[in-house]
Amino acid sequence: SQQGEEDPQALSIQEGENATMNCSYKTSINNLQWYRQNSGRGLVHLILIRSNEREKHSGRLRVTLDTSKKSSSLLITASRAADTASYFCATALTDSWGKLQFGAGTQVVVTP
Amino acid sequence: SAVISQKPSRDICQRGTSLTIQCQVDSQVTMMFWYRQQPGQSLTLIATANQGSEATYESGFVIDKFPISRPNLTFSTLTVSNMSPEDSSIYLCSVPWGLAGLSSYNEQFFGPGTRLTVL
Repeated sequence: SQQGEEDPQALSIQEGENATMNCSYKTSINNLQWYRQNSGRGLVHLILIRSNEREKHSGRLRVTLDTSKKSSSLLITASRAADTASYFCATALTDSWGKLQFGAGTQVVVTP
Repeated sequence: SAVISQKPSRDICQRGTSLTIQCQVDSQVTMMFWYRQQPGQSLTLIATANQGSEATYESGFVIDKFPISRPNLTFSTLTVSNMSPEDSSIYLCSVPWGLAGLSSYNEQFFGPGTRLTVL
C-alpha cells in the first residue's frame, strides 16, 4: 500500500502565483523526497529532506517537514508555465535501502 | 549522478505474450529497482533487482509474472509475462544514489520509462 497521501489531487493556477501541495505519511521515515513528472515521462528528482530537517530550499522550491504530524509540504514560488507537471512525494523508510513509497501525486497546471 | 536508459521506450503487445524491458546504467550501482505506474496512478515498487541473486519482490508481485535478471552492476531486465490489458502501464527502473553501505541514500535517478500497452 502506498505510504503517502497528497492533496490537493489537482491544482490550477496562473503564472506568477505560488503553488502549495501537501503530503502525509504513516510510518517513520529516513527521508522524504519530491519528484516531478512531465506528461507520463520519467521522474525528475526535485529535493530531499531528511527526518532531522525541518525546511529546505532549492531555487523556487521550499519544502517543509513535520515529523510529529507526519506531513510535508512543497511550495513552488512564482510559478511558470513550465512548472506544469505532476508532483509526487516519496518516503524512504528507515533501513529501506533506497526503496521509496510514493504518494498519489498532485497534478499542477500553470496557465500563462 | 547516474544516467539511465531503458529499452524499448514504448510497445504495444498482444494479450498472452511477454515483453522484456532493459535498463542500463552508465555506472556501477549496488541497488536497482523496478516500479510500475498504472494509467493516472502513482508509482508502485515491483521488486529490487539484486546482482548475483534472485530479485526481492514486493507484496502483490511474483517472480512468475515479473521475472527479473541482474547479470552485472550496470544492467537489469524486467519481463512482463503472459500479459493482459491490466498490465498496461509505464515501467520504470531506478537507482538510488549515495554512499554505498548505508541504509539511507540520497535521491534516486529514474529511467525514462517504458510505456506498455496490452491489447
